[in-house]
Amino acid sequence: EIVMTQSPATLSVSPGERATLSCRASQSVSSNLAWYQQKPGQAPRLLIYGASTRATGIPARFSGSGSGTEFTLTISSLQSEDFAVYYCQQYNNWPPPWTFGQGTKVEIK
Amino acid sequence: EVQLVESGGGLVQPGGSLRLSCAASGFTFSSYAMSWVRQAPGKGLEWVSAISGSGGSTYYADSVKGRFTISRDNSKNTLYLQMNSLRAEDTAVYYCAKFGGSWTDAFDIWGQGTMVTVSS
Repeated sequence: EIVMTQSPATLSVSPGERATLSCRASQSVSSNLAWYQQKPGQAPRLLIYGASTRATGIPARFSGSGSGTEFTLTISSLQSEDFAVYYCQQYNNWPPPWTFGQGTKVEIK
Repeated sequence: EVQLVESGGGLVQPGGSLRLSCAASGFTFSSYAMSWVRQAPGKGLEWVSAISGSGGSTYYADSVKGRFTISRDNSKNTLYLQMNSLRAEDTAVYYCAKFGGSWTDAFDIWGQGTMVTVSS
């Protein structure tokens, strides 16, 4: 099973600042990496797939990069609606399981 | 509008059974693989099970293998998860999710979730 490790667990950021979230895979997942955003009481929402492609309707301030085992999600200028928990997920493993990171909570500083 | 709506959650005793449903709309249901993902209270996301568009291929996490069965009825645009021999550690919100394309794709649409509580 591929283990996904996210850092930091919590990120305190002021509105308007840049946030950088990291995700590491225990073995290469190529570019088969997604990022999701989850707000309290809501379902996860797909932000990024293929490591760097924004999903439909996702603002340009969200960007993803990386390949292999090291990935980054960057939010260029945090808006109030961006404070949430972010999960990375690999979907390269075959056969499954597909695995998620433990999440990074982005909170208001 | 593409939409997934789960139902069937509730309180069940350890060792009991429950069947979850996920009604899909707004897309050609039979063309897409589907999955169940769960989230224990205050915890992260855990993939549970997946099924191909035709229903001919199914996959399970080791934690539920032999106890849970995923199925689908493409004539009703509905995904199911039959959960037997439930344990306290199965307590979670269960989400159904649609694969964006093939198996090697992210989950692009999620339902709102249904809560399953296993307790005596």
